Amino acid sequence: RKEVEQDPGPFNVPEGATVAFNCTYSNSASQSFFWYRQDCRKEPKLLMSVYSSGNEDGRFTAQLNRASQYISLLIRDSKLSDSATYLCVVKRADTGFQKLVFGTGTRLLVSP
Amino acid sequence: SAVISQKPSRDICQRGTSLTIQCQVDSQVTMMFWYRQQPGQSLTLIATANQGSEATYESGFVIDKFPISRPNLTFSTLTVSNMSPEDSSIYLCSALTGELFFGEGSRLTVL
Repeated sequence: RKEVEQDPGPFNVPEGATVAFNCTYSNSASQSFFWYRQDCRKEPKLLMSVYSSGNEDGRFTAQLNRASQYISLLIRDSKLSDSATYLCVVKRADTGFQKLVFGTGTRLLVSP
Repeated sequence: SAVISQKPSRDICQRGTSLTIQCQVDSQVTMMFWYRQQPGQSLTLIATANQGSEATYESGFVIDKFPISRPNLTFSTLTVSNMSPEDSSIYLCSALTGELFFGEGSRLTVL
């Protein structure tokens, strides 16, 4: 079992739709959680951190459930420019070193 | 924030040869990492590049195959040794300064 699991998609949605991505992680020593976005042939870039209380950044809402070891990302009013791969990322330091572990990514395609 | 420059951006190499990828950060950072991203896959951590000491390798990666240098707080290199076609991948340098920043990657094709 992978340490961070995501549905690979692709999710095909029309502009304006709301779409949700889920992610589960297996290591309970995980400390911090993030969503990264990766455009085709580009490096990943931080979209948002995920806080226990849930957090929102414009059209994007992230949620964390530590008990279930589950993270989600909700995108409202999808834009064409949201088409990308969304990577769930978990940071842990159980070995004494900080390490970020990436999920396989969920691909989103927003169409006109 | 951090700006990370990697080179080469791409290369085509013959099997059995070695390639060294350089990574320069525009500020001093404690933690640098090297990731690999194979076609259609997510990122896999190769190693943590520690300044002043040996790199810490993840399971499945060894120093003889992927030697790493970290001579100072702004620079690191990754060498892919004795390459085979299975090493064809994108290699990404990253630095942790609050968030994890990435270089643009080095796309390696081994024939």
